[in-house]
Amino acid sequence: KAGVTQTPRYLIKTRGQQVTLSCSPISGHRSVSWYQQTPGQGLQFLFEYFSETQRNKGNFPGRFSGRQFSNSRSEMNVSTLELGDSALYLCASSLALVRETQYFGPGTRLLVL
Amino acid sequence: SQQGEEDPQALSIQEGENATMNCSYKTSINNLQWYRQNSGRGLVHLILIRSNEREKHSGRLRVTLDTSKKSSSLLITASRAADTASYFCATDESGGGADGLTFGKGTHLIIQP
Repeated sequence: KAGVTQTPRYLIKTRGQQVTLSCSPISGHRSVSWYQQTPGQGLQFLFEYFSETQRNKGNFPGRFSGRQFSNSRSEMNVSTLELGDSALYLCASSLALVRETQYFGPGTRLLVL
Repeated sequence: SQQGEEDPQALSIQEGENATMNCSYKTSINNLQWYRQNSGRGLVHLILIRSNEREKHSGRLRVTLDTSKKSSSLLITASRAADTASYFCATDESGGGADGLTFGKGTHLIIQP
């Protein structure tokens, strides 16, 4: 099976802009989670989607949003970018909501200037 | 918030030696997982140990879990240069606590040839 894919892999934006990141889970996986990784804060949970519904959300401002489509592909959007949003954004998929093994994509590295 | 705290933060050993990393956490868990990350790429799942298990093996990996001390250890035996990476523990909190997996800040392991 193909692994989790994320696009784009690298992105440079300026403050105030918005960005959309995409994640395609492993075929058959219905749960998609998003994480932000920074040197200072480490890996932090953003949100989790299952069957097109957001099931859980981490402690991030409303500028961070996401959605999941009927084919389980997911997108996350960050509006009004700030310098502190520069990070590696990781998507992970799993078969179900139960937090067993998560399969991670390669990540999207976002740089905000 | 970071639940898992890995110790040490960095570890440098010679190829062929064993590497031991420790993880402490704060709340009750359903399971604890270890992941590896190479050079800021996606995370790779290594092993999962459930709260009712005390020890688990997978190839050169040995994981222990002590729920009374809220701690886990990852032992990599006969280390290889390819084991150079960052290692993270992640917990799935029970009782509807945190959402998503809660990751520690990781141990950076360097295997010197």
